[in-house]
Amino acid sequence: EAQVTQNPRYLITVTGKKLTVTCSQNMNHEYMSWYRQDPGLGLRQIYYSMNVEVTDKGDVPEGYKVSRKEKRNFPLILESPSPNQTSLYFCASSLPETSGSYNEQFFGPGTRLTVL
Amino acid sequence: LAKTTQPISMDSYEGQEVNITCSHNNIATNDYITWYQQFPSQGPRFIIQGYKTKVTNEVASLFIPADRKSSTLSLPRVSLSDTAVYYCLVGPTGRRALTFGSGTRLQVQP
Repeated sequence: EAQVTQNPRYLITVTGKKLTVTCSQNMNHEYMSWYRQDPGLGLRQIYYSMNVEVTDKGDVPEGYKVSRKEKRNFPLILESPSPNQTSLYFCASSLPETSGSYNEQFFGPGTRLTVL
Repeated sequence: LAKTTQPISMDSYEGQEVNITCSHNNIATNDYITWYQQFPSQGPRFIIQGYKTKVTNEVASLFIPADRKSSTLSLPRVSLSDTAVYYCLVGPTGRRALTFGSGTRLQVQP
């Protein structure tokens, strides 16, 4: 089944304790992205990756890191989490530009993170 | 990026047609209009995309007038399972351009 998976789905942690949220897709998509969703603010893009070893900042990158060593994986790293990073996080991937489905992104199930 | 304006919420009943209009006065020539659906605690799901006139798929229709300053997502004969938040996005073809606003919360009642 074509899908984007995220782990963990739920995480409660404490301020300053490094954590990684994994994201994996099995659709051979070149483009991957991370969003956070907060009440009243919609989804905001954190980082995106156009391909392996190519990453760039989105709208709210502060406090986050990403890496893209393999095409299928795009982990989100919080080196020193803070309470303002408590949010619902979504990973997404997209078909290549040449596919014709220009802005269709496939989203994972989400990771609900609470930083105490 | 073009700013979009949608109603905050809408109510409907099962079996009715629902039309959600999105205003995007500053749409650029190379912008496409895309709609997503999101259920609670799930990731958004692509519904439909268009550039001009009308686009139809198995889920919805998208109507875009000639001036492209607005668009209307039409959901035929909604059911309870269509209760969700619907987002209108406007941007060029390019993965870095997707910006989600607050969306329209559609509540379908029996």
